[in-house]
Amino acid sequence: DGGITQSPKYLFRKEGQNVTLSCEQNLNHDAMYWYRQDPGQGLRLIYYSQIVNDFQKGDIAEGYSVSREKKESFPLTVTSAQKNPTAFYLCASSLSSEAFFGQGTRLTVV
Amino acid sequence: GDSVTQMEGPVTLSEEAFLTINCTYTATGYPSLFWYVQYPGEGLQLLLKATKADDKGSNKGFEATYRKETTSFHLEKGSVQVSDSAVYFCALRRMDSSYKLIFGSGTRLLVRP
Repeated sequence: DGGITQSPKYLFRKEGQNVTLSCEQNLNHDAMYWYRQDPGQGLRLIYYSQIVNDFQKGDIAEGYSVSREKKESFPLTVTSAQKNPTAFYLCASSLSSEAFFGQGTRLTVV
Repeated sequence: GDSVTQMEGPVTLSEEAFLTINCTYTATGYPSLFWYVQYPGEGLQLLLKATKADDKGSNKGFEATYRKETTSFHLEKGSVQVSDSAVYFCALRRMDSSYKLIFGSGTRLLVRP
């Protein structure tokens, strides 16, 4: 089935460690996005990419990094520089209009 | 910069009541507008969309009309059900080369039997 897959669903990280969240889509979409959602809050844009090997910072890119080596994949690395990484992370992809979302990854720093 | 403003929640209604969730936007050019819905612990699902002025998006009894003169895209439903309880997000996408997708802060809807 076509769709967008995030993994893992739940992720625990020790303070000071980097961690990478996976996002894969088989919809042949050009654009991909990463958002962060905190409890009771809206979605804040971390990074987005319009084409392979190109990406732009969103509103809260500090402490995060991404790559876009393949059209299907847009992994997000949460680095130790991110001061408060515990949140719900959502990945999305889009072709020309609406975006399709994955089921999200809940990251908890322990 | 571009932005989306939604009414604050939570909105609490009785079943079969009329729903309105206000959404206004600020954007250059002519963005496309969307309403998404999020159920607990899940990602967002597209509810409806409108791509140009005066377009009306509709789905599952929900409607919203793209009003350029008031820069608004208010969500309405004539008779809500308990199963409509969720968080609703208004969003815009600039249709230039940036492809940037911007969301409002979300409005929680609680429908009581």
